[in-house]
Amino acid sequence: GAGVSQTPSNKVTEKGKYVELRCDPISGHTALYWYRQSLGQGPEFLIYFQGTGAADDSGLPNDRFFAVRPEGSVSTLKIQRTERGDSAVYLCASSLRQGAVGYTFGSGTRLTVV
Amino acid sequence: GDSVTQMEGPVTLSEEAFLTINCTYTATGYPSLFWYVQYPGEGLQLLLKATKADDKGSNKGFEATYRKETTSFHLEKGSVQVSDSAVYFCALTRTEGTALIFGKGTTLSVSS
Repeated sequence: GAGVSQTPSNKVTEKGKYVELRCDPISGHTALYWYRQSLGQGPEFLIYFQGTGAADDSGLPNDRFFAVRPEGSVSTLKIQRTERGDSAVYLCASSLRQGAVGYTFGSGTRLTVV
Repeated sequence: GDSVTQMEGPVTLSEEAFLTINCTYTATGYPSLFWYVQYPGEGLQLLLKATKADDKGSNKGFEATYRKETTSFHLEKGSVQVSDSAVYFCALTRTEGTALIFGKGTTLSVSS
């Protein structure tokens, strides 16, 4: 597509529930990144994919968070047993390859855990 | 660990005023430095970048110079417009294309 698409744009869920957030990168972009942006903060790195594999998942806060990219394009960020502290905007970005200049970010999914 | 510190906002200016948003960093080696901008309701966009000491990044009238001696990458614009109202983020990466480390962001509000 023309840009990085993230769905849903907004998600409200109850504490303890499971959620999936989807990212559709720019066609042909092999590198894909997930970030989390809490209110009043800058984006915080979560995980980075090169193709289908997670090249760096050091930013995932705990084992409730997991992400996949099975065919090397669309990625899903999965959060189990959601907590109120998980409320944030989850950003996805893609780039043509590792080492490419700058990323293209999506508009994000605003997750609210009530 | 690596980190980025930005001046706190909000920064409120009148149209055509001079803008400076301060950014300093802590990192080993020679990181690449970036400014990203987030307009209301839109995603983060790369504004400019610099990859080595004394490089100057520029775009849309904005400039920033990579100063290794002061570990700084301050954003400047000579004459701001209302359309420049946005949140500005300074960021670094030690290996380009991998994890970016962002500052907290500075909100700029320009009035006519």
